[in-house]
Amino acid sequence: EIVMTQSPATLSVSPGERATLSCRASQSINNNLAWYQQRPGQPPRLLIHGASTRATGIPARFSGSGSGTEFTLTINSLQSEDFAVYYCQQYYNWPPFTFGPGTKVDI
Amino acid sequence: QMQLQESGPGLVKPSETLSLICTVSGDSISRLGDYWGWVRQPPGKGLEWIGSIFYSGSTYYNPSLKSRVTISMDTSNNQFSLRLTSVTTADTAVYYCTRPRDPYYGSGSQYFDSWGQGILVAVSS
Repeated sequence: EIVMTQSPATLSVSPGERATLSCRASQSINNNLAWYQQRPGQPPRLLIHGASTRATGIPARFSGSGSGTEFTLTINSLQSEDFAVYYCQQYYNWPPFTFGPGTKVDI
Repeated sequence: QMQLQESGPGLVKPSETLSLICTVSGDSISRLGDYWGWVRQPPGKGLEWIGSIFYSGSTYYNPSLKSRVTISMDTSNNQFSLRLTSVTTADTAVYYCTRPRDPYYGSGSQYFDSWGQGILVAVSS
C-alpha cells in the first residue's frame, strides 16, 4: 500500500498571501495524484488531477506540480473561501486508493 | 448536472450490517465506462476509500474492508448501494458516494470528481 504524507499539518496564512502545501508518496506514483479541498461540513471537492490539471471550474489561483514522490499544491492570493482542509490522493498503485492525512489552511 | 444523494439509517448496532443507497440523478449509472464508489470519513479524521463498481458490475474493494463490503448496482432505479457487515464503533463515519474518474479508460485507476453530501452513520448500541 502506498502511504501518503502531507506537510505541514496546519498552515496559517493571511488573506491575499500564497499558501504552499506538500504531499509525499512512499514510492513513485508518476503523476497519478489528485488534490481535494474540504470546507467544514462539506464533501471534498476535486481541485487537481494528474498532479497539475485543474478540474472543471477551479480558479487559476490553484496550481499543482510535482512528479514521482514529491508534489505541491500552491494557492495564490488566498481568498476567504480557501480556508479549508486539503487532501492529496494517489491513484497509481491500487487497491487501495490512498489519501494523505490532510493539511488545514487557516487564518 | 449530475447529483449524488446518500440515504440510509443513521444508527446501526454493533455486529449488525450497515446498508446505504446512493441515488444518482442527471446521469445513468450504466453508462459505458463509468464507475461509482464509496469513501468514508470518521469524525474529525481523514478520508478512506471503501470501494468502487464499474458500469459492467466489476467491483474493486479496499483490502482492509474487503471481507465485509459489498457494492452493487440497481440500474432500474439508477442507484448503487453499500453493504458493510459486522460493524464496530470504528465504522462510525460520514459515508460519501462518489463518481470516480478513470484517466486511463478502463484501467480501474480512479480519482473522485463528484461527491454526495454524505451521511453520518453512527455505530452504537
